[in-house]
Amino acid sequence: AQSVTQPDIHITVSEGASLELRCNYSYGATPYLFWYVQSPGQGLQLLLKYFSGDTLVQGIKGFEAEFKRSQSSFNLRKPSVHWSDAAEYFCAVGASDDMRFGAGTRLTVKP
Amino acid sequence: DAGVIQSPRHEVTEMGQEVTLRCKPISGHDYLFWYRQTMMRGLELLIYFNNNVPIDDSGMPEDRFSAKMPNASFSTLKIQPSEPRDSAVYFCASSLGRGLNTGELFFGEGSRLTVL
Repeated sequence: AQSVTQPDIHITVSEGASLELRCNYSYGATPYLFWYVQSPGQGLQLLLKYFSGDTLVQGIKGFEAEFKRSQSSFNLRKPSVHWSDAAEYFCAVGASDDMRFGAGTRLTVKP
Repeated sequence: DAGVIQSPRHEVTEMGQEVTLRCKPISGHDYLFWYRQTMMRGLELLIYFNNNVPIDDSGMPEDRFSAKMPNASFSTLKIQPSEPRDSAVYFCASSLGRGLNTGELFFGEGSRLTVL
């Protein structure tokens, strides 16, 4: 069965610092992988997705993620974090009718 | 496009009362999902529909929960009778089926339910 693990429950970074959020997945075939962001009181918004092709995918708000099949990982990165990036981030695997979400990583940004 | 619209945004009710949550998916989307989010369990898929037909309701916690989709533009999630442990944020999401857009879910802003 497919599953997603986000090892970090909470991460704090300083504004302007780089960010990497970890995601590991278990999936029987070539996975569809996603990162969503949830701001307080809001629904989830898609940041980026990987279906096939180039393993480095670019998303909105300056985020990128790299698919590494050998490590079963799909880590999210941003070179310079802004205070507005403070939110909860969810990694997900699967297709729309069988989507599994990780537990989420809460990002706090220090001034 | 207005996005996925959910109502009410907040609901406070007493144990035993019936609760109905409503969702209008994005026009043209053929999949509709109901999720529940809590601190303890995270995001849980309750049920999803394809072309208005319920496909998988294995995530519905109990018979107290029911969901309908009478047409392509409207769905309800009903809890009767409600219990305090049902307190959560309930999200509706829609998606455009298979193909290149597979898996991109569009979420509503959620309905926060508090059962006293």
